[in-house]
Amino acid sequence: GNSVTQMEGPVTLSEEAFLTINCTYTATGYPSLFWYVQYPGEGLQLLLKATKADDKGSNKGFEATYRKETTSFHLEKGSVQVSDSAVYFCALKYNQGGKLIFGQGTELSVKP
Amino acid sequence: DTAVSQTPKYLVTQMGNDKSIKCEQNLGHDTMYWYKQDSKKFLKIMFSYNNKELIINETVPNRFSPKSPDKAHLNLHINSLELGDSAVYFCASRQQETQYFGPGTRLLVL
Repeated sequence: GNSVTQMEGPVTLSEEAFLTINCTYTATGYPSLFWYVQYPGEGLQLLLKATKADDKGSNKGFEATYRKETTSFHLEKGSVQVSDSAVYFCALKYNQGGKLIFGQGTELSVKP
Repeated sequence: DTAVSQTPKYLVTQMGNDKSIKCEQNLGHDTMYWYKQDSKKFLKIMFSYNNKELIINETVPNRFSPKSPDKAHLNLHINSLELGDSAVYFCASRQQETQYFGPGTRLLVL
């Protein structure tokens, strides 16, 4: 079936460190891929997306590239800030109905 | 000007009670969702409505009944609450590829 797997957290980094959160997926066809972010006590917000192979989504210094050959959509940021501390969810959408399948979330904690 | 709002924000209740959570979106979207997030942050879709019609109904106990009086509202009624229902429930609406989430309702069943 369709599924999303993320690296386990929590991930703890110092400010200005490089961030990678791994995400791989299993899906039939060609899903769209997303990263959502959940700040403490809030709902999820779309961070970035990619709708086809080799697309790169980017926002707020975060990037992820849709890699069909490795079925991956890893999230990266060159220099994290304390304000990036949140839970990050990788997700896929595999049909027109808009149903999102989420990974288990990766908690990121950035220390000053 | 809140996009997706939910009430109440917190809900503490006894096992066996019946409760409702309300959701409203002022974005003009046709499609709305309910998600459940457990204590480990795992997020799973429960229901989806498109223009007041149910289009997704995941494997959810029939104690949970969504109701959509109009396309801007999607409420969730839960009968005979159980301890395992304790979670954060998120409402969302969708425009094209993007889903917009409400702030969540934190339900605690004692």
